[in-house]
Amino acid sequence: DQQVKQNSPSLSVQEGRISILNCDYTNSMFDYFLWYKKYPAEGPTFLISISSIKDKNEDGRFTVFLNKSAKHLSLHIVPSQPGDSAVYFCAASGPYNNDMRFGAGTRLTVKP
Amino acid sequence: DAGVIQSPRHEVTEMGQEVTLRCKPISGHDYLFWYRQTMMRGLELLIYFNNNVPIDDSGMPEDRFSAKMPNASFSTLKIQPSEPRDSAVYFCASSSYRSYNSPLHFGNGTRLTVT
Repeated sequence: DQQVKQNSPSLSVQEGRISILNCDYTNSMFDYFLWYKKYPAEGPTFLISISSIKDKNEDGRFTVFLNKSAKHLSLHIVPSQPGDSAVYFCAASGPYNNDMRFGAGTRLTVKP
Repeated sequence: DAGVIQSPRHEVTEMGQEVTLRCKPISGHDYLFWYRQTMMRGLELLIYFNNNVPIDDSGMPEDRFSAKMPNASFSTLKIQPSEPRDSAVYFCASSSYRSYNSPLHFGNGTRLTVT
């Protein structure tokens, strides 16, 4: 069963605008959430994370929001750049990496 | 730091053949993970090792799949016999310790096609 769901397989935005990628999870035991970015023919690379004790974490143009009551997290990219075009994976885990679950990914295209 | 190295990058084989995927983790990392990526299910954890010992293989889909880690710098994932539904991208990842302060470092993957 998919414990981490990314319901939008793709998203297209204009350069300079905000990109919002969404992720839902079902397991209330998850307490750590991550976003990975993947370019074609490469492996996923870690982008940003948030623990369940926070509701927001910011790193430059990237901000992750966590709504525990709704079991929902989102990644905001502002402003979006063409180089941000990639597949973004949402991931969630308990305290340890061994039970990290990934979503199916959202392909973001940022148009110049 | 050369990163996690996987080989081959692409593998095309016929149904029924044995397939072996290889991984060299980042030096000093003591956790190694094998994931499989498909369109429908995203990234699925197949198995992971700690200090060369398999800890959890509950994600391995069938007995046709096996994984080994004979030493700290090498791991293999074997499929015997292979089937068309095994076609996917297989990723190896490593991390330095079992904590959410240590994100996984992925290799570039092996794209497997079974015809």
